[in-house]
Amino acid sequence: DIQMTQSPSSLSASVGDRVTITCRASQNIGSYLNWYQQKPGKGPKVLIYAASNLEGGVPSRFSGRGYGTDFTLIISSLQPDDFATYYCQETYSTFTFTFGPGTTVDMK
Amino acid sequence: EVQLLESGGALARPGGSLRLSCAASGFTFANSAMHWVRQAPGKGLEWVSGLSGGGDSSYYADSVKGRFSIYRDNSMNTLHLQMDGLRVDDTALYYCAKASLARVWGSHFDSWGQGTLVTVSS
Repeated sequence: DIQMTQSPSSLSASVGDRVTITCRASQNIGSYLNWYQQKPGKGPKVLIYAASNLEGGVPSRFSGRGYGTDFTLIISSLQPDDFATYYCQETYSTFTFTFGPGTTVDMK
Repeated sequence: EVQLLESGGALARPGGSLRLSCAASGFTFANSAMHWVRQAPGKGLEWVSGLSGGGDSSYYADSVKGRFSIYRDNSMNTLHLQMDGLRVDDTALYYCAKASLARVWGSHFDSWGQGTLVTVSS
């Protein structure tokens, strides 16, 4: 099975900060990597799909990059609405669709 | 607007059964694969099961294989998850999620419901 790791597990940041979250797959998954945002009490929301494609309606301050095993989610200028937990997910394998353990972004 | 409304969550005994449902609207249901994803209290997301748009290809996490069954009624725009042999570690909020493609693999989950809570306890 494909294993997904994320770093850091949590971070504290201020409005306006540039935030970088890293996701690593245990094997090559090409571009089959998605990023989701989840706020307390809500279902997740997709931000980035296929490693670098911005989902419709998602602010352009979010971006994704990477290929193979190493991926990054970048928030260029953190906004108050961005304090949340972020998950990566691989959809390379038909049988697992594994999520990363999550990165919580809270206010410094 | 896409809407996904889960129902059926409840308190169940270990070894018991529940059936979850997800009522979908706002899109052509048969054109989208559908998934169930769960989240144990205070924990991360765990994919449970996925089903192709036509209902002919289904997939399960190892943790539920042989106990859970996913199916859909495209005439009623409804997705179901039959959960048998429930265990304490099945306790979680269960989300219904719409895939961006009709096939299961390679797509992302572009809409999610609010979840339905399953608690398994004696």
